[in-house]
Amino acid sequence: DAGVIQSPRHEVTEMGQEVTLRCKPISGHNSLFWYRQTMMRGLELLIYFNNNVPIDDSGMPEDRFSAKMPNASFSTLKIQPSEPRDSAVYFCASSTRTGDTSETQYFGPGTRLLVL
Amino acid sequence: SQKIEQNSEALNIQEGKTATLTCNYTNYSPAYLQWYRQDPGRGPVFLLLIRENEKEKRKERLKVTFDTTLKQSLFHITASQPADSATYLCAPGGGNTPLVFGKGTRLSVIA
Repeated sequence: DAGVIQSPRHEVTEMGQEVTLRCKPISGHNSLFWYRQTMMRGLELLIYFNNNVPIDDSGMPEDRFSAKMPNASFSTLKIQPSEPRDSAVYFCASSTRTGDTSETQYFGPGTRLLVL
Repeated sequence: SQKIEQNSEALNIQEGKTATLTCNYTNYSPAYLQWYRQDPGRGPVFLLLIRENEKEKRKERLKVTFDTTLKQSLFHITASQPADSATYLCAPGGGNTPLVFGKGTRLSVIA
């Protein structure tokens, strides 16, 4: 299994530009999570999907952030316009989640974003 | 709001000793707790899960305890090796809410 795939691995952009991060979850997993990790705040959940439907986006910082999951094998996280404080490592994770059962999350390698 | 505290940002121990990492949580009653390992430049990797009705769980040199009264989990690595050096994250979870991760403890095992 290829695991969770994220692209790009590194992104350097200028303030005000649009940034799109991509994620392909593990085949057969029905839940997908987007996280942001910084030294100050640790690993923060931004949004998660179950069966392609957004369940909780309360962690999305503000309207500049949006996420979509058009099908079971693809998701995007978009920042428009980007700001320097968005610089962080963004992780995508997937899991098999059925109701109240615990789930192990499988993380991708992350996208390291630097906004100048 | 839920709060998770891992005992220290960094822990240095001698090779061969037992490393003990602490995870405390407040305003929360998780049904289970997971531990992950994260190496530099990589995503977290799942290690162990312990449920609220389990006192202890073991996997090779790893041992996790879960005390719902103290609201605490302890993560032990026995006979530690330099290859165990990494950041370890705890993540309580349960119900229909997703995992919430602590900031992690960076463990360095010195040869």
